[in-house]
Amino acid sequence: DAGVIQSPRHEVTEMGQEVTLRCKPISGHDYLFWYRQTMMRGLELLIYFNNNVPIDDSGMPEDRFSAKMPNASFSTLKIQPSEPRDSAVYFCASSLARAGVYNEQFFGPGTRLTVL
Amino acid sequence: QKEVEQDPGPLSVPEGAIVSLNCTYSNSAFQYFMWYRQYSRKGPELLMYTYSSGNKEDGRFTAQVDKSSKYISLFIRDSQPSDSATYLCAMSKMDSSYKLIFGSGTRLLVRP
Repeated sequence: DAGVIQSPRHEVTEMGQEVTLRCKPISGHDYLFWYRQTMMRGLELLIYFNNNVPIDDSGMPEDRFSAKMPNASFSTLKIQPSEPRDSAVYFCASSLARAGVYNEQFFGPGTRLTVL
Repeated sequence: QKEVEQDPGPLSVPEGAIVSLNCTYSNSAFQYFMWYRQYSRKGPELLMYTYSSGNKEDGRFTAQVDKSSKYISLFIRDSQPSDSATYLCAMSKMDSSYKLIFGSGTRLLVRP
């Protein structure tokens, strides 16, 4: 299995531009998570989906952030307009719900976003 | 105050040393306790998880949870240079086991 795939791996953009981050979860997984990691705040959960439906978006920082999951194999995280304080590494993770066992989250390699 | 506190380090030890990594937390509702390892420029990967209190051993790694003190630990025996990474503790509640709350991570360097 290829694991969780994220693209692009690096993104440099200017303030005010729209940024779209992409994620392909592990095939067959029914949960998908978006995280943000910064030096100041560490690793924070932004939003997660179950069977393509958003379950909890309480970690999304502002209305400038939006996430979609149109099908089981693809999700996007969009920032519009972007600001320098959005600079961070964004991780996507996926998990398979199984009764009676801990449901490990598998992380992708991350997208390093720099907003100038 | 953060829900999960973790010393950021860095922690530098010689090869073969026993390493102790720790986290404290404030929310008594946490029931699942995890340790993730993150190599530079990579995503976190799960090392170990524990449900509720007690110890768990896996090879050179031992995880301990003391719910009465709200304190968790990860011990690494016979540390190797390949163990050099950032170690993140994470926790979640019974009714929202998918919502992981992470510590800030401790950077570990094992010197050959």
